[in-house]
Amino acid sequence: SQKIEQNSEALNIQEGKTATLTCNYTNYSPAYLQWYRQDPGRGPVFLLLIRENEKEKRKERLKVTFDTTLKQSLFHITASQPADSATYLCALEVLSGGYNKLIFGAGTRLAVHP
Amino acid sequence: GAGVSQSPSNKVTEKGKDVELRCDPISGHTALYWYRQSLGQGLEFLIYFQGNSAPDKSGLPSDRFSAERTGGSVSTLTIQRTQQEDSAVYLCASSLRDRAYEQYFGPGTRLTVT
Repeated sequence: SQKIEQNSEALNIQEGKTATLTCNYTNYSPAYLQWYRQDPGRGPVFLLLIRENEKEKRKERLKVTFDTTLKQSLFHITASQPADSATYLCALEVLSGGYNKLIFGAGTRLAVHP
Repeated sequence: GAGVSQSPSNKVTEKGKDVELRCDPISGHTALYWYRQSLGQGLEFLIYFQGNSAPDKSGLPSDRFSAERTGGSVSTLTIQRTQQEDSAVYLCASSLRDRAYEQYFGPGTRLTVT
């Protein structure tokens, strides 16, 4: 069966450390992978998109890797801050009926402690 | 500029009543999506619009759910004869195109069926 798995347990880290979140998938062949941030009571906000032929993408303190052999994406936040505390969702873009449908994982909650 | 807006922000209804949820996408975005998010869960895809047509309705959970989009802009999601299991946050998103492009989400409508 098709699955997207993100760590369901919250990730607690100390301010200043690097947070690493994992997204694993099975039986999908995504052309792209996206990461979103969601704060309580709000809709998700887009962070980064990475293509299947890209190994790594960076944006300020964020870095995403995409390994289509391992079927895994890693999302890193360096020099983490309490303001980075949120739920982070990965989403696969899969071709479906002529368009790219986004399939979301359940998300991982990140808590950065001062 | 204006983002995606949704109304109402909260809706409490009695089991068996019909509800209408509204989404105003970003001007010029031809792609529009509806998702449902239950507590602690990921986003569940409901329906995709390209312009006024809905090429993908595969996520609608039953025939009690319907949606329309008029003028390539505003969309309405209607749930007839609501059930308690319909309680969730309903999120709308729009994007400029339906491939390799970020989706912009509204704040959601929290629906509670009593």
